[in-house]
Amino acid sequence: QVQVVESGGGVVQPGGSLRLSCAASGFTFNNFGMQWVRQVPGKGLEWVAVVSQYGSLQHYADSVKGRFTISRDNSKNTVSLQMNSLRADDTGVYYCAKEGTEHISSYLDYWGQGTLVTVSS
Amino acid sequence: DIQMTQSPSSVSASVGDRVTITCRASQDVSYKLAWYQHKPGKAPKVLIYEASTLQTGVPLRFSGSGSGTDFSLTISSLQPEDFATYYCKQAKSFPHTFGQGTRLEIK
Repeated sequence: QVQVVESGGGVVQPGGSLRLSCAASGFTFNNFGMQWVRQVPGKGLEWVAVVSQYGSLQHYADSVKGRFTISRDNSKNTVSLQMNSLRADDTGVYYCAKEGTEHISSYLDYWGQGTLVTVSS
Repeated sequence: DIQMTQSPSSVSASVGDRVTITCRASQDVSYKLAWYQHKPGKAPKVLIYEASTLQTGVPLRFSGSGSGTDFSLTISSLQPEDFATYYCKQAKSFPHTFGQGTRLEIK
């Protein structure tokens, strides 16, 4: 069965860096784009980033562009989100999710349980 | 960027009620819209994709309609497990964007 599992969350000071990882299994990983979505405490879901099947295309939310980098390693079935210059408003639960079709820019059919990132001094 | 506006922001309803949530896009997203259910502490779950296609395993009481800029999600007969927050999300162009969410509460 399809599984998506995030890791790497934690507490970091403003201006610091953190790297999130997402391990996927149960499907042909390099056939699907992968996305990150976050939920800020007390607020709704916010789309963060996407990476295409072979990593050649990435897109980002305006709020993280230039600070976050999404990448993937198809040999290990993993997706990463490198987060630099973190701010307090980056605090939240970060979800990794699989795209539902073999075309980048799709709905998300499998999600992980999320990993909590707290940016605080 | 495409803005997604949901209404209402919250709704109180009883088991057995019919509820409709609407989502409006600031520009044409064709049929590239999905609806997600999110419960506290859980992973979001897709209910409807491509505006009106029911995801496998989702109960038939959920349905979606619309295209272009106006969409709706209807729950025909609310069940206790349906009380959650619902989000629409466009996948027409990047950056993808979510609506602000509709919190469905028990009356």
